Amino acid sequence: ETGVTQSPTHLIKTRGQQVTLRCSSQSGHNTVSWYQQALGQGPQFIFQYYREEENGRGNFPPRFSGLQFPNYSSELNVNALELDDSALYLCASSLVGRGSQETQYFGPGTRLLVL
Amino acid sequence: AQKITQTQPGMFVQEKEAVTLDCTYDTSDPSYGLFWYKQPSSGEMIFLIYQGSYDQQNATEGRYSLNFQKARKSANLVISASQLGDSAMYFCAMREGPSGGSYIPTFGRGTSLIVHP
Repeated sequence: ETGVTQSPTHLIKTRGQQVTLRCSSQSGHNTVSWYQQALGQGPQFIFQYYREEENGRGNFPPRFSGLQFPNYSSELNVNALELDDSALYLCASSLVGRGSQETQYFGPGTRLLVL
Repeated sequence: AQKITQTQPGMFVQEKEAVTLDCTYDTSDPSYGLFWYKQPSSGEMIFLIYQGSYDQQNATEGRYSLNFQKARKSANLVISASQLGDSAMYFCAMREGPSGGSYIPTFGRGTSLIVHP
C-alpha cells in the first residue's frame, strides 16, 4: 500500500450537481496531483498542488478546482457535472524539492458516475 | 503527436515465461524520466520502475527491467517469470524536464496483460 487514501470510493451524481473528492497524501509528501481516467484510457492530468498552491494544470475547464491543506491533504471539486465527467479520479502524492523522489504514489481512486 | 505510444492493446503470456511490453516516447527535452505503472482491476496505480534520461544503465526492480534504447526513444518493460498476479493494465508514462522539480507526467493508453496458467 502507498499510504495515499481517497474518499469516497464510489459516487453517483446527476448532471448539474457538484462533487467534492478527497485525498490524503503519503506522510512526508508535499505535492498532490489529480488525474481523470476514463474507461479504457490512461490517466489525464487535471492539476497539481504544491505547498497549497496550484502548480500546473492540464486541459480541464475552470469548473474543475482544487485545494491543498496545510497537512498536504487535498480536495478536487467539480461543479456543474456533465455525463462525460464519469470516470475514475486518481490522486497521487510525491515529494518535490530537496530530497525529492521521482515517483508519484497513487491512491485507490474514486469512481464517479454521472447520470 | 502522441508523447507516449503503447502499440499493444493486449498481450497474453504463459505463466513463468517472460513478456515485453512496448513503449515509445516523443520529446525534445534532453532531461526526462520514464515510468511504468501497473493497474489491477481494483484501480490503484502501482509504481513499478523508473528510468532517467541520463541514467547509464537500464533500470531493474526485481522481476521488472526496463529496456531503455535512447536513440530509438523506446522504454520497453520486461517482466520475467510471469505470475498469475501480473495480469493487469500496464501504463508507460513520461516526465519532461529536470528531476527534482514538480512535473506533469503524460501517460500512454496502456497495455492489458493476461497471464494464463
